[in-house]
This record gives sequence, C-alpha cells and structure tokens, in this order.
Amino acid sequence: RKEVEQDPGPFNVPEGATVAFNCTYSNSASQSFFWYRQDCRKEPKLLMSVYSSGNEDGRFTAQLNRASQYISLLIRDSKLSDSATYLCVVNKGGNKLVFGAGTILRVKS
Amino acid sequence: DTGVSQDPRHKITKRGQNVTFRCDPISEHNRLYWYRQTLGQGPEFLTYFQNEAQLEKSRLLSDRFSAERPKGSFSTLEIQRTEQGDSAMYLCASSLERTEAFFGQGTRLTVV
Repeated sequence: RKEVEQDPGPFNVPEGATVAFNCTYSNSASQSFFWYRQDCRKEPKLLMSVYSSGNEDGRFTAQLNRASQYISLLIRDSKLSDSATYLCVVNKGGNKLVFGAGTILRVKS
Repeated sequence: DTGVSQDPRHKITKRGQNVTFRCDPISEHNRLYWYRQTLGQGPEFLTYFQNEAQLEKSRLLSDRFSAERPKGSFSTLEIQRTEQGDSAMYLCASSLERTEAFFGQGTRLTVV
C-alpha cells in the first residue's frame, strides 16, 4: 500500500463548479499535512497547509480527519486557472515530505 | 531572485556517463531535500540534509547516487554510470525546521 493515496483523476469540470479531492495516508504518526499544486512541467508549490480544525483560503477549503487518516481539498467556483495537478503531502516527522501521485484537475469553459 | 535555484535546468547524457546537479537553497533554510519525479507520479523522496549532515537516504538512492552539502549551503547530487531508468525530473527543495518546503524548478535529466 502506498503511504499517500489519491484518486488520479482526471477531474474534468466546467467553470464555476465545486470539486473535491480526497487523500488517505497510512502512517498514523504523521504530523503535518499540506496540499501542493503543480502546473505542467513546473515545480510543486504550496497551496495550503491542512489543520485538524479545517482551514479555508478564499475558494479553497482543506479538512483533516486524523481518526480516518483522511485529507480533503474543496475548490469552489472553479476557474480555468485552477487547472493543475494537486498533490497531497504528508510530513512523517523529521520534515520528510511524502507525496501522493497527484490528482489532475481540468477546468473547462 | 531569492528562491531555490537548480542548475542545469536540462541535461541530456549518454548511458554510462556521470552527471552532477547543483542546488542552491533559500539562504536561511537549514534543511535541503532532493526528490525525483517521473511522468504521472508525485515527487519521490531521495535524501535530505540538515545543515551539512545527511540525515536520511531513500532506498531509491542506489550506490550510483551520492549527494553532498559540504558547507551546509548548496548541495550537489551526482549520478554515476547513468542508466535510462534514471531519466526523470530531479527536484531540490529547502525549508526551515517544521515548515513547508519550497521547490526549485528542477533539473530534467534525459539518458539516451
């Protein structure tokens, strides 16, 4: 079993749609959690950290369920510019980041 | 530009040759990481440094791979006797302790 698992997609959605990505992780000792965004042939960039209480940044909402070892990302009112690969990232401790394979989002007009 | 920089951006080499990549982290960051990414996959951890000490190496890092960070600033990743399976994007990232990592633009290696 992979340490971090994501639905690879692709998710094809129209502009304005709401889309949700899910991620599960296997190591219950994981300490911190992130969503990164990666555009085609570019480096990953931090989108947001994920906290147990849930956190929101504009159209983006991240949730963490430690009991279920589950992380989610919700994007509301999708824009064309949201098209990218979204990487679920878990910090196992010692700051070693473990990445999921990524979920591809394509927003179409 | 005060971000993470990697050099070269692209490298094409013949199988069996040695290659070396360089990473310059964000200056105040004491942690430096190397990842490898192939098409359709997320980045895979290779190794990381805290200052000049190499604290962890992945099993992906075979004997042909070596990384150094001699003065706790820039780092090099060397691949000896390259194989076609080494073709990938090699990403470097840096961070402070327990904060998010910032990535360089990567070095794309093609072994022909």
